[in-house]
Amino acid sequence: EAGVAQSPRYKIIEKRQSVAFWCNPISGHATLYWYQQILGQGPKLLIQFQNNGVVDDSQLPKDRFSAERLKGVDSTLKIQPAKLEDSAVYLCASSPEGTGSYEQYFGPGTRLTVT
Amino acid sequence: KQEVTQIPAALSVPEGENLVLNCSFTDSAIYNLQWFRQDPGKGLTSLLLIQSSQREQTSGRLNASLDKSSGRSTLYIAASQPGDSATYLCAVIRGANNLFFGTGTRLTVIP
Repeated sequence: EAGVAQSPRYKIIEKRQSVAFWCNPISGHATLYWYQQILGQGPKLLIQFQNNGVVDDSQLPKDRFSAERLKGVDSTLKIQPAKLEDSAVYLCASSPEGTGSYEQYFGPGTRLTVT
Repeated sequence: KQEVTQIPAALSVPEGENLVLNCSFTDSAIYNLQWFRQDPGKGLTSLLLIQSSQREQTSGRLNASLDKSSGRSTLYIAASQPGDSATYLCAVIRGANNLFFGTGTRLTVIP
């Protein structure tokens, strides 16, 4: 079974530029998550989708971050404009359901550096 | 607000030694607890998931325990190997399958 795919793996941009990340979850997984992991910290949930609907986006900085999951499969996360503090690894994960009893499977992440 | 703490932040042990990693959480109203491994530049690999009704889970040389009443979990690694060197993260799972992560323990196993 193919795992969670993410691209690009690395991205370097200047502050105030925009950037987009892409995630393809494991086939059949209804729930998709985006996490932000700042160096030295654990991942922090940004947004959770159930199929193509948003379940939780309470920690998403909506003034600059946006995410969508069209057709309930692939997802994109966008930052516009980027700030220095957005430098982090952005992890995508998926799980079969969102009930709390299913494991989340993580992709390799996208490492963003904002200069 | 749920807070997850992992102690120690870093640990170095000689190969072959048994070791214990600690995780504590402030809110015992959790569904499950999950231990992950993270290698440099890579994503997270799930090691063990303990449901709230369970006390422990075992996989090979790994054993994870959960004590909800005291807000603690431990990950026991037997006969450590250099390949076990990585950062180990614990995460508690609450409603809607939300994971709250600790800051991790960076383990180095010295050959």
